[in-house]
Amino acid sequence: GAGVSQSPSNKVTEKGKDVELRCDPISGHTALYWYRQSLGQGLEFLIYFQGNSAPDKSGLPSDRFSAERTGGSVSTLTIQRTQQEDSAVYLCASSLRTGAGNTIYFGEGSWLTVV
Amino acid sequence: SQKIEQNSEALNIQEGKTATLTCNYTNYSPAYLQWYRQDPGRGPVFLLLIRENEKEKRKERLKVTFDTTLKQSLFHITASQPADSATYLCALDAGSGGGADGLTFGKGTHLIIQP
Repeated sequence: GAGVSQSPSNKVTEKGKDVELRCDPISGHTALYWYRQSLGQGLEFLIYFQGNSAPDKSGLPSDRFSAERTGGSVSTLTIQRTQQEDSAVYLCASSLRTGAGNTIYFGEGSWLTVV
Repeated sequence: SQKIEQNSEALNIQEGKTATLTCNYTNYSPAYLQWYRQDPGRGPVFLLLIRENEKEKRKERLKVTFDTTLKQSLFHITASQPADSATYLCALDAGSGGGADGLTFGKGTHLIIQP
């Protein structure tokens, strides 16, 4: 597609429910990132996929968070048993390549509110 | 630990003046530094990248400097316009690839251009 597409754009869920957030990267981009941005906070790295390599999951805050990327394209971030502190904007980004000097292209984010 | 500092308070500038935003970092040796713009409710958008061996980079009304001795980057917008109002994020790239060792973002500075 023309840009990184994320869905849903907004999600309100009850505490304890599971949620799935979807990211469709720019066509041909091999690298895909998930970030989290809480109100007034910076971008917090969550997970990184590059081609067929094992993902870098070092930023996932707990084992309730997981992500997968199917066919090297679409990615799904899953949050199980959501907590109120999970409320944030979840941003997906992709890039054509990886390595030094790489610029990344963000989607508009999925706004998650846990009530 | 690595630390990136951007002015947490909003920066108010009169239209037509030059806006200067600061990004300071410690315990970091970035090979590249990038600046992104983020509008409310939107994902960040890449603006400029500067390499460690470059002192200055320009793009239209934007100018970025990178001083690896001072561990500081300055981001300038000349002839500022109300449409330049946004949050500007500094991102450091260690040059080691993607993932947790890739781009690290500051919290951003909110710029307001007063007409």
